[in-house]
Amino acid sequence: NAGVTQTPKFRVLKTGQSMTLLCAQDMNHEYMYWYRQDPGMGLRLIHYSVGEGTTAKGEVPDGYNVSRLKKQNFLLGLESAAPSQTSVYFCAIRDRPTSNTEAFFGQGTRLTVV
Amino acid sequence: GDSVTQMEGPVTLSEEAFLTINCTYTATGYPSLFWYVQYPGEGLQLLLKATKADDKGSNKGFEATYRKETTSFHLEKGSVQVSDSAVYFCALKLNAGNMLTFGGGTRLMVKP
Repeated sequence: NAGVTQTPKFRVLKTGQSMTLLCAQDMNHEYMYWYRQDPGMGLRLIHYSVGEGTTAKGEVPDGYNVSRLKKQNFLLGLESAAPSQTSVYFCAIRDRPTSNTEAFFGQGTRLTVV
Repeated sequence: GDSVTQMEGPVTLSEEAFLTINCTYTATGYPSLFWYVQYPGEGLQLLLKATKADDKGSNKGFEATYRKETTSFHLEKGSVQVSDSAVYFCALKLNAGNMLTFGGGTRLMVKP
């Protein structure tokens, strides 16, 4: 997990509150991704970015927004948290979009919405 | 759409037992296939990969062969250790695509 840092590691929110998850990388990779991990469902892609200033929707984007103002940072925002957003969130990075190089993952953020 | 199906866990084995975790996929193109491992409290790490049919990926005693005819990429290890206890994810990526598609994960528990 070296090179990908997620903050915070744990958070409890009340329904309707907002928060931002930060993913920071020091590997100068172009692609960054936000996934959520739920029991029995594997990892599902929320949003991703192919470079600074660009973002795109993944499989489950509703209720989330993202920004990539700087190449090294990818922010995931929840404007009005819902209990269905209780999950473990992982950031991943990857170099060169057309290569088959591995993705590197952060250690995850465990979010509970009550 | 593209999808990955893994056997449901948990899989519980005794140390030195033989391991197989099944993975099958559907894809509209020609994917690369991956196995990732997640140890407790950590993010995912690449375990092995195969980029074309009949390729065999291997690492740390684990192996998986890309079988195009059966659209499978089963993970095997001849003798598991307690330290192999983790969640294992099968994943695919189309060669011209941007995203990894993951299976649901299989939890492996190895008892001494």
